Amino acid sequence: QITLKESGPTLVKPTQTLTLTCSFSGFSLSTSGVGVGWIRQPPGKALEWLVLIYWDDDKRYSPSLKSRLTITKDTSKNQVVLTMTNMDPVDTATYYCAHKLLGVRAFDYWGQGTLVTVSS
Amino acid sequence: EIVLTQSPGTLSLSPGERATLSCRASQSVSSNYLAWYQQKPGQAPRLLIYGASSRATGIPDRFSGSGSGTDFTLTISRLEPEDFAVYYCQQYGSSPPWTFGQGTKVEIK
Repeated sequence: QITLKESGPTLVKPTQTLTLTCSFSGFSLSTSGVGVGWIRQPPGKALEWLVLIYWDDDKRYSPSLKSRLTITKDTSKNQVVLTMTNMDPVDTATYYCAHKLLGVRAFDYWGQGTLVTVSS
Repeated sequence: EIVLTQSPGTLSLSPGERATLSCRASQSVSSNYLAWYQQKPGQAPRLLIYGASSRATGIPDRFSGSGSGTDFTLTISRLEPEDFAVYYCQQYGSSPPWTFGQGTKVEIK
């Protein structure tokens, strides 16, 4: 059974760096073809894909946010960490992590999401 | 960047009716890497369809996906009460960004 769960601060100040952790079980990020991505959703708005990391450390970033994002994995802890620098109120959103297999499979398992508010 | 435009924005239907949702891409989606998700208030999205027409594990057969290139459709053959939700399409072809549509809300008429 695959599960994912996001954790991190619920409130950050403008210009600060956000660090979110995705803890997962039921799969390994050392298995060929496996990936974990991050997607966010501002309140009342659509989904936005941010970044994905594969088992082989291949990383895919959204070009519009690439300069602000870093994704890393810790296979021994079954965790993926997202950092986003220079946070702004427009970054207020629910942040989800999700499992994806290489190729035609889309994001098939999602965490419950964590709401991050950016405010002074 | 591939822009996905979903229509209509809102679909008002009654239980038992057929729902047809459209997703149009600004350029061809490579290898038909097009997915559909369902999202209910306060919940994470749920994968329904991947590869344009393959149902995800556990998804009822009243959900079907079709299309290729730039035009894709999600059909719900007979709406059940639990199907009233927001539906998003997403393309995840070879080159990022992997974009989402703006969503279609299926509401009870």
